[in-house]
Amino acid sequence: DTGVSQNPRHKITKRGQNVTFRCDPISEHNRLYWYRQTLGQGPEFLTYFQNEAQLEKSRLLSDRFSAERPKGSFSTLEIQRTEQGDSAMYLCASSSDSRDQPQHFGDGTRLSIL
Amino acid sequence: GQSLEQPSEVTAVEGAIVQINCTYQTSGFYGLSWYQQHDGGAPTFLSYNALDGLEETGRFSSFLSRSDSYGYLLLQELQMKDSASYFCAVREGGNNDMRFGAGTRLTVKP
Repeated sequence: DTGVSQNPRHKITKRGQNVTFRCDPISEHNRLYWYRQTLGQGPEFLTYFQNEAQLEKSRLLSDRFSAERPKGSFSTLEIQRTEQGDSAMYLCASSSDSRDQPQHFGDGTRLSIL
Repeated sequence: GQSLEQPSEVTAVEGAIVQINCTYQTSGFYGLSWYQQHDGGAPTFLSYNALDGLEETGRFSSFLSRSDSYGYLLLQELQMKDSASYFCAVREGGNNDMRFGAGTRLTVKP
């Protein structure tokens, strides 16, 4: 079990640029979640995949944000035309299908917008 | 409205017992989870309560009262390494997605 892996760990970019993050879940997990966390706050849910299907999206996920999980394995989260307010830690988590199974989090990608 | 309330900070000494409370208001409720997060690290799952009562896992226990919309995390025999942020999180729907509280920062002193 290699755990949930996220890349890159850190991303610094200028306002207006596009960024893409990658998440590799635990291999046997069908469910994949994206969260955003700012300093002093808990993670906020962004979106959820069951295999390759994106089944739920938060109102936090503006149209500048898009997530994919094309083959039901790894997932990408893209932010277009980044804004200062996008600076945060972006966390990915995965879980199995079984009821009440815990989510396992990756170490996150810290995004800083200059 | 929908909310989760937990204390922002708690301080205790090594070897002591500390209880972190969490009250919630949600549109739906499937269960209450607790996560630990060290600075710069990933949230790590500690426990989950779907039914009323106490769940014990080593030095950590978690309690849920659905009728009171209340739960707590109990940490016993505190160690320095327990210094971290602790989040309660409510599972509101069948998809397992969770809504987290703002976290309680626990400082353990020698």
